[in-house]
Amino acid sequence: EDQVTQSPEALRLQEGESSSLNCSYTVSGLRGLFWYRQDPGKGPEFLFTLYSAGEEKEKERLKATLTKKESFLHITAPKPEDSATYLCAVQAGGSSNTGKLIFGQGTTLQVKP
Amino acid sequence: NAGVTQTPKFQVLKTGQSMTLQCAQDMNHNSMYWYRQDPGMGLRLIYYSASEGTTDKGEVPNGYNVSRLNKREFSLRLESAAPSQTSVYFCASGLPGQETQYFGPGTRLLVL
Repeated sequence: EDQVTQSPEALRLQEGESSSLNCSYTVSGLRGLFWYRQDPGKGPEFLFTLYSAGEEKEKERLKATLTKKESFLHITAPKPEDSATYLCAVQAGGSSNTGKLIFGQGTTLQVKP
Repeated sequence: NAGVTQTPKFQVLKTGQSMTLQCAQDMNHNSMYWYRQDPGMGLRLIYYSASEGTTDKGEVPNGYNVSRLNKREFSLRLESAAPSQTSVYFCASGLPGQETQYFGPGTRLLVL
């Protein structure tokens, strides 16, 4: 069964304190791994797509990496405005590419000034 | 370019009432999706439509129906609302082969 597990559930950091969020996955043929950011009361906002092990993508203070079993979202010198829930999702491969995403439960990040 | 829009933003229903959640996208995407988000459960797929005229069940379809009215619009109907359907509902759209899905702002539904 395809599954995504994120850890930790919650993370509190001081401004400038770098850390990483983890996304472990089990999927029958990975087509893509996605990171989204979700602010309270809003819809998920797309951040990154990773397709193959070894791939890395960066955006401002965020860097996403991918291995065959997990992905990390590294946050370097975070600011209070980085506070949000970060969601990881995978899309399985196969002949019927319907685009369905399987989401983890998310990591809620709080960055204190 | 509004992206994905959803109406209403918030709704309160009594058990047994019906309602339709509306979703529209202006990005010319073929695929559209309905998810529900509950605390501790993450986002779960209810129904999806790979293209105009087709719909398929997702992970949690019971109690819901959908209509792909045209390429832009994808509605979700609750025929007889139950308290277990209290949730936040998100619509998303995407292009096949490009994988990335773009989400709307959500509809918060409370069933009493």
